[in-house]
Amino acid sequence: DTGVSQDPRHKITKRGQNVTFRCDPISEHNRLYWYRQTLGQGPEFLTYFQNEAQLEKSRLLSDRFSAERPKGSFSTLEIQRTEQGDSAMYLCASSLWTGGEQFFGPGTRLTVL
Amino acid sequence: AQTVTQSQPEMSVQEAETVTLSCTYDTSESDYYLFWYKQPPSRQMILVIRQEAYKQQNATENRFSVNFQKAAKSFSLKISDSQLGDAAMYFCAYRSALRDDKIIFGKGTRLHILP
Repeated sequence: DTGVSQDPRHKITKRGQNVTFRCDPISEHNRLYWYRQTLGQGPEFLTYFQNEAQLEKSRLLSDRFSAERPKGSFSTLEIQRTEQGDSAMYLCASSLWTGGEQFFGPGTRLTVL
Repeated sequence: AQTVTQSQPEMSVQEAETVTLSCTYDTSESDYYLFWYKQPPSRQMILVIRQEAYKQQNATENRFSVNFQKAAKSFSLKISDSQLGDAAMYFCAYRSALRDDKIIFGKGTRLHILP
């Protein structure tokens, strides 16, 4: 296992389109996190999962955003009706246990035209 | 709400010299963790160093050390013998030990290493 992976690494879409990102955590890590990082800012928390249960959602996660982790392994983050303000780097992280070190993936850079 | 502030958007240091990155934070909690993360250009974020708030001793990892001042809510990172590979964005970050697992990041400091 080589770490957290994310796919795609880059996504360019037109405003109003739907996009879906995937995150594969380190195997056996039961916690999975999504963060968003805009240019010149630090990452901001979006949501996290304990196995398949989504435990917390930030107010940044509008109704257009939905995240799933159906079998407690990989996770998807979908953005519906994308807006230019959604352009950002979307980071995924995983940890083995509550309070454990969070290992980050390389991110998916989204550009909304 | 907890906040993390990094007041230095960019810094430069000569190779082999020492540099200190500043960070302050605000919290009403007594039990928490503080981190410094490194994000190299186009590469993923990695943890540099971690400090538990209940520990008085400052954390050290090879060339990296912190100066943790709990009363002042200050958490600076010192990099000794700077190397070209240290060039990156450095993020100071906070996590509660009690309430939840999310990490709160500062805006980052971009560190340039001058050869």
